[in-house]
This record gives sequence, C-alpha cells and structure tokens, in this order.
Amino acid sequence: AQKITQTQPGMFVQEKEAVTLDCTYDTSDPSYGLFWYKQPSSGEMIFLIYQGSYDQQNATEGRYSLNFQKARKSANLVISASQLGDSAMYFCAMRELIKTGANSKLTFGKGITLSVRP
Amino acid sequence: GAGVSQSPSNKVTEKGKDVELRCDPISGHTALYWYRQSLGQGLEFLIYFQGNSAPDKSGLPSDRFSAERTGGSVSTLTIQRTQQEDSAVYLCASSLLSGANVLTFGAGSRLTVL
Repeated sequence: AQKITQTQPGMFVQEKEAVTLDCTYDTSDPSYGLFWYKQPSSGEMIFLIYQGSYDQQNATEGRYSLNFQKARKSANLVISASQLGDSAMYFCAMRELIKTGANSKLTFGKGITLSVRP
Repeated sequence: GAGVSQSPSNKVTEKGKDVELRCDPISGHTALYWYRQSLGQGLEFLIYFQGNSAPDKSGLPSDRFSAERTGGSVSTLTIQRTQQEDSAVYLCASSLLSGANVLTFGAGSRLTVL
C-alpha cells in the first residue's frame, strides 16, 4: 500500500502569493515523523520542515509551515510569499518510529512540481 | 567534510559492466542511506546502515545490487552486470542519531547504462 500520496499535478503560483502542496499518508504506527524536502533543478535534496506525530503545534520554519491534520492523515506544506527560487519538486516523506525505528528509512512520495510565475 | 560527498557525479557505462558508487557521509553521522531516483520520479529506498547493526537491505531491487560500509564511514554501492533500467540518480544521505534524524543528502551520482 502506498504510504505517502502526492497526487497534485504540476502546481503554479504567482510570485508573492501563498501556495499549499498536499500530502496524505497511511500508517498504523502511533508514532511517526513527517518531512518535506525541496529538490530544485540542480538535483540536491534540501530539508524544509519536520512534524512529529505527537507535536502539539503545527511546525513552522520561516516561510514554510505544515498544516498537520492527524485525524485526516494529511500533512500539507504551505509556502507563504512565494519566490521565483521556490520553483522546484517538493517531496513529502514519513518515518514510522515504532515499526521501523527512530533512525530508519524515510518513505517518500512521488513529489509535486511547483512553478512560481513572475 | 561539510556535507555528504558522492562520486562519481556522472557515470556512463555499457550494459553488463559493473559499477561502483561512493558515498562519504558527514563526519559523526552514524546512519547512512542509499536511495535511487529515476527520471522525474520519487526516491526509492535501497539500503540503510546504522552503526554496527546489520544493514536494512530490504530495498535492494536484485542480487546484482550490494553495498558495504567500511569503518562506519564511507560506503560503496556496487551494481553488477548493469542493465539499462539501472539508469538513475543514486542518492546517498546521512543522519545523526538525535532529534528528528533529518537526512542530509549528497548531490547524487547519475548513472547512465547504454
């Protein structure tokens, strides 16, 4: 079964506007971590933000915030005030902490392409 | 080093040849991961090393793939008798054993099998 689902087609946003990138996940593990990574055309994977399943508040890192809805098993990334440099692929990932361990592999979604228009 | 270092950055080989890809993790990072990314696709887990524990090899696609990690640091991913479907970017990542255990990725090794 697919654990991380990213089904949006290529996304477009106007510069300076906010955009939400969707991610849903599937796990029976009561303890898990959710990650978002950015991959620009240069290819490197850049860590953006982390949300633990027991964290009381939604994670925020600068212009990035994570809209974590545990009951719906969604972990959408919100980028505020989009910049041209935000154009990239964005990947959602999960680590199941009890089933596989706190240092085990991340399972990635297929990614979403975001294009920021000037 | 300051980041995860991978070599070669690009490798073109003929079908049937063996290739070795190298990863030098961040100093002090005890966990090391290999992923594969085919063109326009997500990341596919291959193998994970954690200290002296037995590696998690559950993602290796066939017995042509193997990896080792010497001295708890540098890792080598070996693909024997390469096939065209092995063409992909092979990404290495490392992490600390603390906090969210964020993976820091290298720039990848692009493998093209002709």
